[in-house]
Amino acid sequence: GQNIDQPTEMTATEGAIVQINCTYQTSGFNGLFWYQQHAGEAPTFLSYNVLDGLEEKGRFSSFLSRSKGYSYLLLKELQMKDSASYLCAVMDSNYQLIWGAGTKLIIKP
Amino acid sequence: IAGITQAPTSQILAAGRRMTLRCTQDMRHNAMYWYRQDLGLGLRLIHYSNTAGTTGKGEVPDGYSVSRANTDDFPLTLASAVPSQTSVYFCASSDSGQGHTDTQYFGPGTRLTVL
Repeated sequence: GQNIDQPTEMTATEGAIVQINCTYQTSGFNGLFWYQQHAGEAPTFLSYNVLDGLEEKGRFSSFLSRSKGYSYLLLKELQMKDSASYLCAVMDSNYQLIWGAGTKLIIKP
Repeated sequence: IAGITQAPTSQILAAGRRMTLRCTQDMRHNAMYWYRQDLGLGLRLIHYSNTAGTTGKGEVPDGYSVSRANTDDFPLTLASAVPSQTSVYFCASSDSGQGHTDTQYFGPGTRLTVL
């Protein structure tokens, strides 16, 4: 079966760095997406990785290792507005997105 | 530009009733999707449409139907609602569909409660 695993909840301090991990087992691989979802709102796109390595976009970076079935989202200089759920999703061989349950990130002052 | 709109925002429905959730996008995207989101589970695909006039089944299609008469609209119908269909429903769209890795953009969601 297809499976995406990510921690249920993480806590970090304002101004710090946090890494959210995602491991996956899917039928085929056509890229990995990270989305941010604030409570009661729609998911919004953060990043897309299809090749191994690190993609940096401002305070957010995303890493992919296809051989290990592993990705992480790195958030730097955390702000209170970063409190949200972070969703990992893999596009499978049918070009359909398989979603993890999300990681709820709590930022403390 | 509104992007994707969904209606209603929320709804309480008696079991056995018929309900249509509306979704409209103004980005001229070819592909549209319906997901449900339940606590502790990832988004699950209900139905999708790669282009106007075509639809396909996702992971959890039972009890739901869709139509895609034009590019902009993609309504989701529950023919006879059951309590297990209580969920938050998200509509999404992407520029392309099958065979492409385009980013999906989401509507604000409809919170549906079936009693």
